[in-house]
Amino acid sequence: AQSVAQPEDQVNVAEGNPLTVKCTYSVSGNPYLFWYVQYPNRGLQFLLKYITGDNLVKGSYGFEAEFNKSQTSFHLKKPSALVSDSALYFCAVSPRGGSYIPTFGRGTSLIVHP
Amino acid sequence: GAVVSQHPSWVICKSGTSVKIECRSLDFQATTMFWYRQFPKQSLMLMATSNEGSKATYEQGVEKDKFLINHASLTLSTLTVTSAHPEDSSFYICSASLRETGNTIYFGEGSWLTVV
Repeated sequence: AQSVAQPEDQVNVAEGNPLTVKCTYSVSGNPYLFWYVQYPNRGLQFLLKYITGDNLVKGSYGFEAEFNKSQTSFHLKKPSALVSDSALYFCAVSPRGGSYIPTFGRGTSLIVHP
Repeated sequence: GAVVSQHPSWVICKSGTSVKIECRSLDFQATTMFWYRQFPKQSLMLMATSNEGSKATYEQGVEKDKFLINHASLTLSTLTVTSAHPEDSSFYICSASLRETGNTIYFGEGSWLTVV
């Protein structure tokens, strides 16, 4: 069975500082990995994904994520946080074959302080 | 990017009535559509997975007779909450998957259901 862990319920960072939102996963074989963002009372928006190739994936709004196979991690990063980045972030993993139903982490609330 | 439209965004219904939520993929044909439920400050709970023209596959603990899912075409899926009760009040989110893009899932904006 596949699983996703987001170990932090909340991450606090000052505006202008770099941010990291952690994600580790467990899945058979090579996974597809995703990050989504959810603003209050809204659906989820796709940020970025890893399929294959370069381990550093760049996505929307200046976010990037690094795929680390040995550590089974896919941490979300941004060099300089904005107050408007404050939202709920979800990591997801999907197997490459079979039912490919994705599994989501429980979400991490990012709060960027002015 | 791919767009998924969900309607209505907000709905209030009386206890005992039924309410239908629509999910459409606007610019692509969705391989699969998913329905999720989200409680405040919690993660997504997958309710069911549906493929066009076939019956939905429900997750354990989800009542298929209460949450009716119809996937009439490659661009439309509907969730009908039958005989709604206050405990069904929640945020319901649909999503559509496009296998050609590495199983990327695109989400609708969600629907707030309040049963009074």
